Amino acid sequence: AQTVTQSQPEMSVQEAETVTLSCTYDTSENNYYLFWYKQPPSRQMILVIRQEAYKQQNATENRFSVNFQKAAKSFSLKISDSQLGDTAMYFCAFITTSGTYKYIFGTGTRLKVLA
Amino acid sequence: EAQVTQNPRYLITVTGKKLTVTCSQNMNHEYMSWYRQDPGLGLRQIYYSMNVEVTDKGDVPEGYKVSRKEKRNFPLILESPSPNQTSLYFCASSQTGGTYGYTFGSGTRLTVV
Repeated sequence: AQTVTQSQPEMSVQEAETVTLSCTYDTSENNYYLFWYKQPPSRQMILVIRQEAYKQQNATENRFSVNFQKAAKSFSLKISDSQLGDTAMYFCAFITTSGTYKYIFGTGTRLKVLA
Repeated sequence: EAQVTQNPRYLITVTGKKLTVTCSQNMNHEYMSWYRQDPGLGLRQIYYSMNVEVTDKGDVPEGYKVSRKEKRNFPLILESPSPNQTSLYFCASSQTGGTYGYTFGSGTRLTVV
């Protein structure tokens, strides 16, 4: 079975500091894509960053970057210079290119940025 | 503005009273899907549609119906809602089956009493 595990239900970080959210996944597929989504209190789901599994280079989007370890099936999100607006629930997800193109989501990590 | 429009945003209903949650996208996306979000469970797929007139079950389809008569609309139908369907529902769409990410609607908070 394909699964995504986020082992940190809640985290907090001081404003301007760096925080890393963990995510591990399990799949037997070779072709897949990994994502981090942010869900602020408005509950809108916002795509933060995307990683293609066949690319070794880690994706970056401004203050957000990932550490993608394919052999270990690990996909952590690093937020640098944390801002109050980063307070949200963060979901890790992946999708394979075979079959139904279904997203498998983790259970989420609630991040609170402290002033 | 490219968006997925989901209505209503909040809904309280009684057990057994049929309801429909509407979803419409203006991006000409072929792929659309419904998810429910529950605390501690993340998001789980209910139904998806690869194209017009093509729909299939996700992981938790029991108690739900969908239809895809035109590309832009993908309504979620609860024929006889029960309290265990109380949840936050999201509609999402994508041109490429999701490999570049989904565009999500703003969610519908459903309470069944």
